[in-house]
Amino acid sequence: GDSVTQMEGPVTLSEEAFLTINCTYTATGYPSLFWYVQYPGEGLQLLLKATKADDKGSNKGFEATYRKETTSFHLEKGSVQVSDSAVYFCALSWGGGNKLTFGTGTQLKVEL
Amino acid sequence: DTEVTQTPKHLVMGMTNKKSLKCEQHMGHRAMYWYKQKAKKPPELMFVYSYEKLSINESVPSRFSPECPNSSLLNLHLHALQPEDSALYLCASSQDAGDRYEQYFGPGTRLTVT
Repeated sequence: GDSVTQMEGPVTLSEEAFLTINCTYTATGYPSLFWYVQYPGEGLQLLLKATKADDKGSNKGFEATYRKETTSFHLEKGSVQVSDSAVYFCALSWGGGNKLTFGTGTQLKVEL
Repeated sequence: DTEVTQTPKHLVMGMTNKKSLKCEQHMGHRAMYWYKQKAKKPPELMFVYSYEKLSINESVPSRFSPECPNSSLLNLHLHALQPEDSALYLCASSQDAGDRYEQYFGPGTRLTVT
């Protein structure tokens, strides 16, 4: 079946460091791909999405490119802030019904 | 406005109680979802409503009963829950139930079953 694999956390970075969170997927077709962020005690917020190969999603300084050849959707940010500390979920949707398949989540901690 | 609201924010209930969770959106979305999220885990899909009709039930126990009274509202009725049902319950909505439509999540109801 469809699946999403994310890098294990927690990831700890200093403020202004470069962030990469790896995400790879397995799907029988051509899924839509999403990154969601969850701050402590809150629900999930959509961070960005891409619906076809080579699409780049971007929002709030975060970017991810849909790479069909490597089945990847890695999340990047050039300079992280303490306020970016949260759990980040990669997810795909494919096959009807808009069922989201989530990765396990990656906790990011940004320190001063 | 991309807001999904959920009430209550917190709920503590005994195993013999009956309670309901409520979810509302005013974005004109025609698909709504219930998820369950345990600590340090991703959300797990429970139910999908499309155009006010239940389209997906992920083999959820009957002690959870969803209801969609109209296109803006989604309820989850709870009865005879078990302590292992304690979790964060998230509601979400999307423009339609197709794969390319992003889902917008509410803040969740944190449920504790005693």
